[in-house]
Amino acid sequence: ELKVEQNPLFLSMQEGKNYTIYCNYSTTSDRLYWYRQDPGKSLESLFVLLSNGAVKQEGRLMASLDTKARLSTLHITAAVHDLSATYFCATNAGGTSYGKLTFGQGTILTVHP
Amino acid sequence: NAGVTQTPKFRVLKTGQSMTLLCAQDMNHEYMYWYRQDPGMGLRLIHYSVGEGTTAKGEVPDGYNVSRLKKQNFLLGLESAAPSQTSVYFCASSYGAVSSYEQYFGPGTRLTVT
Repeated sequence: ELKVEQNPLFLSMQEGKNYTIYCNYSTTSDRLYWYRQDPGKSLESLFVLLSNGAVKQEGRLMASLDTKARLSTLHITAAVHDLSATYFCATNAGGTSYGKLTFGQGTILTVHP
Repeated sequence: NAGVTQTPKFRVLKTGQSMTLLCAQDMNHEYMYWYRQDPGMGLRLIHYSVGEGTTAKGEVPDGYNVSRLKKQNFLLGLESAAPSQTSVYFCASSYGAVSSYEQYFGPGTRLTVT
């Protein structure tokens, strides 16, 4: 059974600081997704990582994937208040899993002035 | 393009009542999914569909049924609602392999069962 674990689950940051959210998964997978969710809202796709060593960046967020270590990271650079949200990673079991995603528990990020 | 829409946005049911949640997408996506979101547990897949007329069970299918009679619609039914089904329900859709199964989510339906 595929399990996805994120840490930390809660992250309180000061504006301007850097931090990393970690996403570990338990079985072989060929892709990893990061989503953002604002309170009471839907999920917004941030990154799709499709191969070992993949790195993608958008603004102050950078995501990477190490399929051998079964680990993805979401790095936040010089945090700003607008980044406050819940971040989810998700993956599938590969093969003909039809994109059936297993999600991590989510990391609630709060950025303080 | 409206993307993925869900009806209704909110609903309160009494235990034992039934209801149907409607998901519609206008992106001509083959794949559609129903998830539930509970605090501290991320999203869990209930049922999914890989094309019109097909459905399959996900991680937590008990107590739910689905139908995909038209490509653009995916219905989630609760035949006899239970308090444990109080949750936020999200529908999602994707093109499939050609888009790396990237999923687009609807706005959610908040369901309370008393």
